[in-house]
Formats: sequence, C-alpha cells, structure tokens
Amino acid sequence: KQEVTQIPAALSVPEGENLVLNCSFTDSAIYNLQWFRQDPGKGLTSLLLIQSSQREQTSGRLNASLDKSSGRSTLYIAASQPGDSATYLCAIPSNDYKLSFGAGTTVTVRA
Amino acid sequence: ETGVTQSPTHLIKTRGQQVTLRCSSQSGHNTVSWYQQALGQGPQFIFQYYREEENGRGNFPPRFSGLQFPNYSSELNVNALELDDSALYLCASSMGTASYEQYFGPGTRLTVT
Repeated sequence: KQEVTQIPAALSVPEGENLVLNCSFTDSAIYNLQWFRQDPGKGLTSLLLIQSSQREQTSGRLNASLDKSSGRSTLYIAASQPGDSATYLCAIPSNDYKLSFGAGTTVTVRA
Repeated sequence: ETGVTQSPTHLIKTRGQQVTLRCSSQSGHNTVSWYQQALGQGPQFIFQYYREEENGRGNFPPRFSGLQFPNYSSELNVNALELDDSALYLCASSMGTASYEQYFGPGTRLTVT
C-alpha cells in the first residue's frame, strides 16, 4: 500500500524567500507524481506532473524533482509571493484508478 | 475548453437524508473519480467511473453510490447521511486511469447537521 507523507504540515516565510516542499512515498514503483495547489475551501489545481522517467519538471517559478530510489519528491517555488499562500498536495497513482495523497503543506507567505 | 464543474457549491443536509452531487467532466475526458476531503486532510478516494462503469472503489460503505452518463458526466449519491459525511467532495476527470493527469473541479461542500 502506497503511503504518502508531507512534512512540514505548515510553513511560513517572508516574501521573496524560496520555498521547499517535501513529499515522501513508501513504494518506489510509481508511474508518476502530481503536485497540486489548493486554496481554502476550493478544489485542486494541477501544478506539475512528473513522470517516473523524469528527474525534474519545471513551470515558471515552480520546479519539481523526483528521486524514486529514495522515495522523495521536492517542489521548489522561487521568489515566493503572498499569492503563493495555499496548501500544496502531492499525489501518486496507487493503482489504475486511485490517487494516494499526502495531507499537504500549508504555506503562508508574509508580505 | 471547459474545465471540470461541480454542483451545487454548498449543501446543508440533515442526518439520515440523501444527497446527490453532480460533476461535469472536462471535454475529451472519459473518466471521473470522486474524492472526499475532510478538513485538514488529503482527499480520500471514493470510486472511479470509466465509460459508464465503476472501475474501482475505495473504502467507503455501499450507501455511497454513483453513476456516469453517456456524456461522461457523473453523479455521487449518498444515502442515510451521517455527521461524519460532512466534507468537501471533489471530482476529477481524466483521459483514462489514475496514471493520466487528473483535473479537479471546485468541489461541493457538504454539511450534515
């Protein structure tokens, strides 16, 4: 059974600082890993999907790395802004139909 | 291209009642998955529908049921509501199995009193 963990649960940084968000998983035989953003009480917005054959994926200020051997993915957000304040979740397909999610890291960027 | 939509946005029900939540999948997608998200937790998988058939189910009781229609939109029905059913219900659409990129709707907030 795939277990996904995100530590820390919450993070507060001053504007302009780079953010580093961690995602750990127990089964390294993954197909891909997806990072999502969730604003309070809202749905999930897909940020990046990184395939198992990739080491990293980039979109604008966001960069996700994947190390299957150590069971870790890291989401980097460069030069954080107050608008980056949200909860960030990582998810991995556990089988053909189900995503297993971490509990998320809630980020606050202070102006 | 229209994204994933869900209705209603918010819903308040009484314990024991029944509720139906609706989801319209993104254009070109044939798979809809439903998730329940309690406050402060990650989403938990309820079930998935692929081409109108249930393709997989999570650890939820039979009072959680669903449908997918020929246009690939979907419904989630919950009977005999319990207080613990209060949560954000999310649907996701994709072009196939969970290994495809999942696109989520805005969610339906269900409160059971």
